[in-house]
Amino acid sequence: QQKVQQSPESLIVPEGGMASLNCTSSDRNVDYFWWYRQHSGKSPKMLMSIFSNGEKEEGRFTVHLNKASLHTSLHIRDSQPSDSALYLCAAMNTGGLSGKLTFGEGTQVTVIS
Amino acid sequence: AQTIHQWPVAEIKAVGSPLSLGCTIKGKSSPNLYWYWQATGGTLQQLFYSITVGQVESVVQLNLSASRPKDDQFILSTEKLLLSHSGFYLCAWSLRTTNTEVFFGKGTRLTVV
Repeated sequence: QQKVQQSPESLIVPEGGMASLNCTSSDRNVDYFWWYRQHSGKSPKMLMSIFSNGEKEEGRFTVHLNKASLHTSLHIRDSQPSDSALYLCAAMNTGGLSGKLTFGEGTQVTVIS
Repeated sequence: AQTIHQWPVAEIKAVGSPLSLGCTIKGKSSPNLYWYWQATGGTLQQLFYSITVGQVESVVQLNLSASRPKDDQFILSTEKLLLSHSGFYLCAWSLRTTNTEVFFGKGTRLTVV
C-alpha cells in the first residue's frame, strides 16, 4: 500500500524566516502531489499542487517536485504567525480516481514572533 | 459557487449508540464524494468514496457504513459506536475527471464517551 512520508514532524520558525517541508511517496505510480494546510480545528484547504518536474511559485510559497525520486518539498518564505498550521502532503496515482488521495502524517509548523 | 454543508458540527455520543453524519453539496452536478477521518493530531484517512448515486466503495473498514441516497448527499453511519470512532470526520467532493482538487467540508467533531 502506498505510503507518503513527511518530514520533519514539527518545525518552529521565527517570524520572517523560511520553512522547508519534505514529502516522499513510496508508490512509483504517483504523478500528482498536493499540499494542504489545516489550521487547528478547521478543515484542510488546498495550498498548492504540482504535477510536473521543477518548481512552482505562488506568492510566499514555492513547491518543488522531483518525479524520479517521488519527492516534493514546500518552502514558505517570510513566514507569518498565520502560517502556523498542520501541512499535509497528499499523493495521487496516475489515472487514479480523482480524490483517492493518500495523505502523509503532516508537518506541524509553528511561527513564533 | 459550490458549497458543501456538513452536519452536525459536533457530537458527543455514548459507546454503543448509533451515529449518522451527513453532508450536502450544492452547485455541482454528479460530483465524486468522499468521507475522511482524522484522529486528533493525526493524518487524514479516506474511509469511503462514491462516484454515483447508490454506489459507495469502502476504503478502510472501521465498522462504519456510508450511503449516497441522492446525487448531492452523502451519509456516514454506524449502529454501534466504539471509543476508537472519536475524531474529526470530513466530507469532501471533487470533479469526476481525474486528478483534480478535493474540496473539504467544515467537518464534524465526534467524541465517543
